[in-house]
Amino acid sequence: LAKTTQPISMDSYEGQEVNITCSHNNIATNDYITWYQQFPSQGPRFIIQGYKTKVTNEVASLFIPADRKSSTLSLPRVSLSDTAVYYCLVGDPGGATNKLIFGTGTLLAVQP
Amino acid sequence: DGGITQSPKYLFRKEGQNVTLSCEQNLNHDAMYWYRQDPGQGLRLIYYSQIVNDFQKGDIAEGYSVSREKKESFPLTVTSAQKNPTAFYLCASRDVMSNQPQHFGDGTRLSIL
Repeated sequence: LAKTTQPISMDSYEGQEVNITCSHNNIATNDYITWYQQFPSQGPRFIIQGYKTKVTNEVASLFIPADRKSSTLSLPRVSLSDTAVYYCLVGDPGGATNKLIFGTGTLLAVQP
Repeated sequence: DGGITQSPKYLFRKEGQNVTLSCEQNLNHDAMYWYRQDPGQGLRLIYYSQIVNDFQKGDIAEGYSVSREKKESFPLTVTSAQKNPTAFYLCASRDVMSNQPQHFGDGTRLSIL
């Protein structure tokens, strides 16, 4: 299972765009990249998942370069409520096993 | 409203006692998972089940047991053999027929009195 590396913490201000980069040098051919958001005392909440190039949904964008050894989660115009821990995970979503390896995540602190 | 329900939200246990954490899902997912989270850490996999009446150990299964008698239920028992049970426990489920990610409940915080 591919290990991921991401910054321990980031600071931002309301209204700014935030980009959190994740390194996954050993990503396998069948692996997808998935990002979760977690607030204190709550379960992780799925944000976005992608395989290559760019994926966009109503809350975020995910940029994946051609070599897939890294990815960047982009949060447009963050608000105070986006203060949370963000986890980057890499794994094969196919099949039932789907073992996820969580690192320590990135604590994003949004200030007014 | 579909989702995963974990109960109770907070649980206290005396040393030497077993305690069972509940996880119920109405998403019709085949696969279910139990994770443990310690302060400032990521999640670690305890057990997972791909189908009813089948389950496999995760990375930290010692001191825990599970059962999967029904598709919608995957209870976790923290036994007295678990030396450091105080943690935040999270249950998740997933549709194995698609590439959809795991969905998580809101957790149970277990503390030792």
